[in-house]
Amino acid sequence: DAGVTQSPTHLIKTRGQHVTLRCSPISGHKSVSWYQQVLGQGPQFIFQYYEKEERGRGNFPDRFSARQFPNYSSELNVNALLLGDSALYLCASSLEVWAGQPQHFGDGTRLSIL
Amino acid sequence: AQSVTQPDIHITVSEGASLELRCNYSYGATPYLFWYVQSPGQGLQLLLKYFSGDTLVQGIKGFEAEFKRSQSSFNLRKPSVHWSDAAEYFCAVGADGQNFVFGPGTRLSVLP
Repeated sequence: DAGVTQSPTHLIKTRGQHVTLRCSPISGHKSVSWYQQVLGQGPQFIFQYYEKEERGRGNFPDRFSARQFPNYSSELNVNALLLGDSALYLCASSLEVWAGQPQHFGDGTRLSIL
Repeated sequence: AQSVTQPDIHITVSEGASLELRCNYSYGATPYLFWYVQSPGQGLQLLLKYFSGDTLVQGIKGFEAEFKRSQSSFNLRKPSVHWSDAAEYFCAVGADGQNFVFGPGTRLSVLP
């Protein structure tokens, strides 16, 4: 079975632009979470979605938004990009939403802001 | 709010030597505990997890971890390190109703 897939792999944007990142979970997984990993740091939780509903939100500004589709895939949107948004964005999927569920990660989207 | 600390930013060991990576957490109740590994340019792979029961848990690739409630620790160990174990290791905490939290990571280098 395919793992978590993310697209695109790399992306270069300029300040003020908007970006959309995409994630397809493992087949059968209903929960998708998004993380931001700045170079040299651990991943920071952004959002969790389950059955198309937001189930958790991290400490990120409103410029960050996400949604989950009926097929459980997900998009992360970031508006008005700042230099500090440069990071690896990771998507993780899990079968259910409870905290003990192991999360399976994609290889991420490397976002660079110029 | 829960937090996770990994006191060692970078550890270097020789191939074949034993390894212990430290992890401490701060949370009111016993959370769910995880160790993940990340190779350069890749996502995270789950090594092992602890929910309850036996405090020594076995994972993939020969890794194990021991939960010590009194010390709020969940240290990762491996008896004999291989060159392919060089990577970044993250301890993580999950709790119902709380956001998932990762530690800052420990980078492992392996000398031939």
